[in-house]
Amino acid sequence: DAKTTQPPSMDCAEGRAANLPCNHSTISGNEYVYWYRQIHSQGPQYIIHGLKNNETNEMASLIITEDRKSSTLILPHATLRDTAVYYCIAVNFGNEKLTFGTGTRLTIIP
Amino acid sequence: GAVVSQHPSRVICKSGTSVKIECRSLDFQATTMFWYRQFPKQSLMLMATSNEGSKATYEQGVEKDKFLINHASLTLSTLTVTSAHPEDSSFYICSAHDTSGRGKNIQYFGAGTRLSVL
Repeated sequence: DAKTTQPPSMDCAEGRAANLPCNHSTISGNEYVYWYRQIHSQGPQYIIHGLKNNETNEMASLIITEDRKSSTLILPHATLRDTAVYYCIAVNFGNEKLTFGTGTRLTIIP
Repeated sequence: GAVVSQHPSRVICKSGTSVKIECRSLDFQATTMFWYRQFPKQSLMLMATSNEGSKATYEQGVEKDKFLINHASLTLSTLTVTSAHPEDSSFYICSAHDTSGRGKNIQYFGAGTRLSVL
């Protein structure tokens, strides 16, 4: 699976949109981009995933560049409960294993 | 989303004892479940892949005789830490793979079990 690179930490003001970038320049054509988050002392929570089209659900939006080498997770109106470590993972659809990197520690500022 | 239940959430045990952790998929069947370990301030590390009805597949460096995995049904996998020692103290997390159409190939995680070995 392709390696992903994320900034180690980010801050965002409460109520604003949080934009979390992820670089996956070596991603292959059949690899999906998955986003999970882990709130302190809990198991990871699935957020969203996509292949090449932009995706939106009740939690977030996922914007994938046309060349698929990077993506951005958008939390449209961040709340204090969105403070967590966010993981971007590239994984082959046929490979069930998830390899977690170090993620981005997002802190929502009141 | 789908629910994965993990029990217990916290366990404290004496060195040399064994501890069993259960992982259940509550609203879907999972032929494959995964066990992860997470040390403080570190990311999740995959320990093993649990396959229903067959032997688990362990990652390199994980002792299969120490971390016994049983996946006897499509909704239950157990991890037993045998002869636990203080260095086994960690946060253990399971996940279940929902391959149904509804699940869209998503892994759902349990809440984790914090093991403290005295």
